[in-house]
Amino acid sequence: KAGVTQTPRYLIKTRGQQVTLSCSPISGHRSVSWYQQTPGQGLQFLFEYFSETQRNKGNFPGRFSGRQFSNSRSEMNVSTLELGDSALYLCASRLAGVGSYEQYFGPGTRLTVT
Amino acid sequence: GDSVTQMEGPVTLSEEAFLTINCTYTATGYPSLFWYVQYPGEGLQLLLKATKADDKGSNKGFEATYRKETTSFHLEKGSVQVSDSAVYFCALRDSRGNEKLTFGTGTRLTIIP
Repeated sequence: KAGVTQTPRYLIKTRGQQVTLSCSPISGHRSVSWYQQTPGQGLQFLFEYFSETQRNKGNFPGRFSGRQFSNSRSEMNVSTLELGDSALYLCASRLAGVGSYEQYFGPGTRLTVT
Repeated sequence: GDSVTQMEGPVTLSEEAFLTINCTYTATGYPSLFWYVQYPGEGLQLLLKATKADDKGSNKGFEATYRKETTSFHLEKGSVQVSDSAVYFCALRDSRGNEKLTFGTGTRLTIIP
């Protein structure tokens, strides 16, 4: 079974621009979560989507948004990019259901803001 | 709020040495606990998990036991290999149905042949 895929793998943007990252979960997984990883702040939860609805949101400004499609694929968008948004963005999928605690991570998208 | 505290790194060991990476947590109720591993240039891989007190998670020679009384989930391996060199993250999922994972800061492990 194919794992979680994220596109693109690398991205360079300029401050003030916006960016969209994509995540395709493992087949059959209905929950998708996003995390930001930086050397200074470590791994931080952005949001979780299930059945096209955002269920949880972390402590990030409104410039960070996301959505999920009917096929469970998810996108996250960052508007008005700042230098501090440079990070590895990780997507994780989960089967969803009683006892399905494991989240499976993709390889990440490395975003560099200049 | 929930938090995870991990042993400061980096940790450097010789091949076949015994490994312990300490992890303690703060959370209400009975969270689920996880160890993830990240190899260079890759995402996180689930290494092992424990969902209730006294559970022992194990995988690839690594073990960790969920100790409610000491709020700990220390990672151990009896004989490390060069291929175990990576960054290890301890994480918890709270018991309130929130799927958010709270991670420790990570411990970089380097194994020398």
